[in-house]
Amino acid sequence: AQTVTQSQPEMSVQEAETVTLSCTYDTSESDYYLFWYKQPPSRQMILVIRQEAYKQQNATENRFSVNFQKAAKSFSLKISDSQLGDAAMYFCAYRGFQGAQKLVFGQGTRLTINP
Amino acid sequence: DGGITQSPKYLFRKEGQNVTLSCEQNLNHDAMYWYRQDPGQGLRLIYYSQIVNDFQKGDIAEGYSVSREKKESFPLTVTSAQKNPTAFYLCASSIDLGGPRYEQYFGPGTRLTVT
Repeated sequence: AQTVTQSQPEMSVQEAETVTLSCTYDTSESDYYLFWYKQPPSRQMILVIRQEAYKQQNATENRFSVNFQKAAKSFSLKISDSQLGDAAMYFCAYRGFQGAQKLVFGQGTRLTINP
Repeated sequence: DGGITQSPKYLFRKEGQNVTLSCEQNLNHDAMYWYRQDPGQGLRLIYYSQIVNDFQKGDIAEGYSVSREKKESFPLTVTSAQKNPTAFYLCASSIDLGGPRYEQYFGPGTRLTVT
C-alpha cells in the first residue's frame, strides 16, 4: 500500500522569506500524481499544486513550486515570498495513475508566518 | 456559483444515535468522496462513489454508510456502531475517478461532536 510521510509537524517562516515543506512517499507504481493541498483556519481544502510523475519538469504555480525527486520518492513544496495568508496546514497527497485510485494523504505540516 | 455544500457546519448528537451528514455538489462531477480528519492526522477515506447507485468502501468504512441516489448528492450516515465518531468530516468531488482530470474539490466540512 502507498504511504505518504510529512516529517515536519510544524514550520515557521518570516514574512517575505522562503520556506520548504518536505514530503516523502512509498509506492511500487511507476506512474502516479502528487499533490499539495492547503487547509487554512477555515478548514477548506484548497489545491495548491499538482505534479505528474511522468513529467521531469517541476511544477510551478506563482510563488509555489515543487522539487520532485522520483528516484528518492521525495516531493517538497517551496513557498517563495511568504505572505500572512499562506499560514495554514499543508498536506501532501498521492494518487495512482490507473483505475479507481484514492488520494493518500500525509499527516500535514502546520505553517506559521511571522510578520 | 458552482461548488460543494456541506450542512450543517457543526453537528451535535448523543451517543447511540445515528446521524446523517449532507453533501451536495453542482459541479456535474461523477465521483464523490467522504473523508474523516482527526487532530494530528491527515485525511482518511471513508467511502467513495464513481457513479449513481454505486459506491465503494475506503480505508475506514466500519460504522458508516452512504447512498448515491442522485449525481449531485452523497449523504454519509454515521451509525451508532462507529466507536469514535467525533471528528471533522470532509466531502469532495471530481470529474471522474480515474481520469487525468482528477483534481478533487472539497466542501467546507462538518464538525461532528458526539457526547
